[in-house]
Amino acid sequence: EVQLVESGGGLVQPGGSLRLSCVVSGFTLSDYYMDWVRQAPGKGLEWVGRTRNKARSYTTEYDASVKGRFIISRDDSKNTLYLQMNSLKTEDTAVYFCVRAERGVRNNYYFEYWGQGTLVTVSS
Amino acid sequence: DIQMTQSPSSLSASVGDRVTITCRASQAINNYLVWFQQKPGKAPKSLIYDASSLQSGVPSKFSGSGSGTEFSLTITSLQPEDFATYYCHQYHSYPLTFGGGTKVEIK
Repeated sequence: EVQLVESGGGLVQPGGSLRLSCVVSGFTLSDYYMDWVRQAPGKGLEWVGRTRNKARSYTTEYDASVKGRFIISRDDSKNTLYLQMNSLKTEDTAVYFCVRAERGVRNNYYFEYWGQGTLVTVSS
Repeated sequence: DIQMTQSPSSLSASVGDRVTITCRASQAINNYLVWFQQKPGKAPKSLIYDASSLQSGVPSKFSGSGSGTEFSLTITSLQPEDFATYYCHQYHSYPLTFGGGTKVEIK
């Protein structure tokens, strides 16, 4: 059974840093593209960024709103995905979801499995 | 960036109704579209991918259609467990983007 469990959320001051973790089970992390998606309280979904799989050299993509501040990494030996968040802003307040992407028949990747999310609150 | 515009933003329907939600992309996305269902306090659940392919385990009351820039999600015979918020999402190109959501409420 595929499982993704996020942790590391909490209250942080503007300008601060936080690292989220996502421990996965039921599949081999290195085989999969992994994403972070966030949802501000009462708002819609927003993609944060992606790390490709080992075959694609773990290259990354980010939304412009977080590029240069957030870093996605992984430790396949620990079955763990990370989101390092620096220079946090109040508008980064959201539930952060870890997502496994699945390759479609035409080789684009869509979100398939989601974790339960972890809440990050940026406030003074 | 590809903008995804959903309509309506909310709708009221009765148990047993058929409802259709529309999603328009600001440019062609080659059917790289997913529909998600989200219930309060829960993670989104994938219903449809590639615009019209039913995700494994999802009942056939959910169906997706469309091409180019216009897509729709249809739910037949609404049941109490179907009242939720539905999102469309394009995975054609970066940045990946979502529609604003459609909240389906009980009339």
